[in-house]
Amino acid sequence: AQSVAQPEDQVNVAEGNPLTVKCTYSVSGNPYLFWYVQYPNRGLQFLLKYITGDNLVKGSYGFEAEFNKSQTSFHLKKPSALVSDSALYFCAVSRPKGSGGYNKLIFGAGTRLAVHP
Amino acid sequence: GAVVSQHPSWVICKSGTSVKIECRSLDFQATTMFWYRQFPKQSLMLMATSNEGSKATYEQGVEKDKFLINHASLTLSTLTVTSAHPEDSSFYICSVSEWDNQPQHFGDGTRLSIL
Repeated sequence: AQSVAQPEDQVNVAEGNPLTVKCTYSVSGNPYLFWYVQYPNRGLQFLLKYITGDNLVKGSYGFEAEFNKSQTSFHLKKPSALVSDSALYFCAVSRPKGSGGYNKLIFGAGTRLAVHP
Repeated sequence: GAVVSQHPSWVICKSGTSVKIECRSLDFQATTMFWYRQFPKQSLMLMATSNEGSKATYEQGVEKDKFLINHASLTLSTLTVTSAHPEDSSFYICSVSEWDNQPQHFGDGTRLSIL
């Protein structure tokens, strides 16, 4: 069965320091991987995706993520955290269905990022 | 600009009332939309896949007669929570996607509170 694990409920980091939010996945084949951010009482905003190609993916707001196939990981990173980055972050995976397919997203449990001034 | 419009954003109603939530795709025609439910401090749970012109596909454990989905046009899907009870109180979110390797675009969600 497909699954996504975000092992940390919360990550605390000081403003200006680098941040990492971890994600590992379990899915057969070549997955599509996504990171989303959610602010209170809002829907999810897309940050970045990995489909194929370069393992290092750059996304919105200075975030990036590295796809590691051998470790089945897709950790989210940012070199210098901002207080405004404080939010709930979700990793998600979908399995390619081939042409014409719409795939369901499987979400991790979410990681709350708290950036302190 | 917004890709998905979800309305209403907040609903408070009495037990036994039916509540309709609308999800509109603003930028493209969406043959498929997704409906999620999110409990406080938890992840999103996919409830159903809404298919334009055909029946929705519900996830295991989701009551079809309780959560009615209608996808009558390429830009609008509705979720109706029928005879809502307090345990139906939750945050409901819809999403649309152009293709399976494209990110889903999410609405801002509807917070449903049943008294």
